[in-house]
Amino acid sequence: DAGVTQSPTHLIKTRGQQVTLRCSPKSGHDTVSWYQQALGQGPQFIFQYYEEEERQRGNFPDRFSGHQFPNYSSELNVNALLLGDSALYLCASSLVATSGANVLTFGAGSRLTVL
Amino acid sequence: GNSVTQMEGPVTLSEEAFLTINCTYTATGYPSLFWYVQYPGEGLQLLLKATKADDKGSNKGFEATYRKETTSFHLEKGSVQVSDSAVYFCALFTGGGNKLTFGTGTQLKVEL
Repeated sequence: DAGVTQSPTHLIKTRGQQVTLRCSPKSGHDTVSWYQQALGQGPQFIFQYYEEEERQRGNFPDRFSGHQFPNYSSELNVNALLLGDSALYLCASSLVATSGANVLTFGAGSRLTVL
Repeated sequence: GNSVTQMEGPVTLSEEAFLTINCTYTATGYPSLFWYVQYPGEGLQLLLKATKADDKGSNKGFEATYRKETTSFHLEKGSVQVSDSAVYFCALFTGGGNKLTFGTGTQLKVEL
């Protein structure tokens, strides 16, 4: 049973560019959350998607946006990249019927470097 | 707002030594508390959890007790192994969605 799959694993962008990161949730899960983990820091909650809508959002600017597709997969988009956006972006999935932090499954992340 | 404070690392121990990683929290309401572990190149894995005061979470020899009076959730293990080398994150959850609040992480290095 595949867990959470994220792509790409690594990517390099330059300031001002835009990036799209992708996440396939664990089989049977319907909710996707995104976290940003800067080097040496703990993950910070970006937002959560369920039924193709953003349900909850952390303290991130509008440059960060997302999408959830009918098959529950999700994308994270970041526009006008800044050097400070360099981080590991983690996707976590869960089943809303059993929601709660103890049932989150995390992917290995996408490492974004902004030059 | 919610916050989690962890002891800074890296923590370097010899194999079979006793481990303590301190974690304190500030939260509104009654949070659930978690320890996650992150091995190199991998995502976060739930290590253990406690959902109410005086609960003890345990897994793979690791333990942590939810202390409401001291707002703490310290991680302990009686005898660490080289394979325990990883980054450990303390986190809290106060309900609603999947928003976890994490500490900054503590790197553990276990040497032979």
